[in-house]
Amino acid sequence: EAGVAQSPRYKIIEKRQSVAFWCNPISGHATLYWYQQILGQGPKLLIQFQNNGVVDDSQLPKDRFSAERLKGVDSTLKIQPAKLEDSAVYLCASSLLIHTDTQYFGPGTRLTVL
Amino acid sequence: GIQVEQSPPDLILQEGANSTLRCNFSDSVNNLQWFHQNPWGQLINLFYIPSGTKQNGRLSATTVATERYSLLYISSSQTTDSGVYFCAVGRIQGAQKLVFGQGTRLTINP
Repeated sequence: EAGVAQSPRYKIIEKRQSVAFWCNPISGHATLYWYQQILGQGPKLLIQFQNNGVVDDSQLPKDRFSAERLKGVDSTLKIQPAKLEDSAVYLCASSLLIHTDTQYFGPGTRLTVL
Repeated sequence: GIQVEQSPPDLILQEGANSTLRCNFSDSVNNLQWFHQNPWGQLINLFYIPSGTKQNGRLSATTVATERYSLLYISSSQTTDSGVYFCAVGRIQGAQKLVFGQGTRLTINP
């Protein structure tokens, strides 16, 4: 069974530029999560999808971050414009069920904002 | 929101040693997961354990939900066990949201 796929693996941009990350969850997993992990900290949930609907985006900085999950499969997370403090690893995870279920993580995208 | 505290923050051991990692949480939970983040950054799910005890090879975990803590045991440590171990907890309140602790960095020396 293929795991969660993410691309790109690394990205370096200048502040005020835009960037997009892509995630393909495990086949059949209805729930998809985007996390931000700043160096030295645990992951923090940004947004959670159930199929193609948003379940929780309370910690998403909506003035600059956006995410979508068209057709309930792949998802894209965008930052526009990027700030220095957005430098982090962006992790995508998926789970079969929405509640009380094991989450499986992708390899992450390491973003550096200069 | 829920607070998650992990201890110790850092642990350095020799190969073959045993270790116990602790996770305390501030409220009732019905979702608790342990993860290992390897030196390349990949997060691997070790246990889904909102209560009770589970074992998988050299690793085992126990969650005492009524006392709001969980323990991860690693026996006969190997260098490949090095990395950061995270505890994450969640409650059902309309949606599942895992809150991660700060992690325990484990270094196993040969």
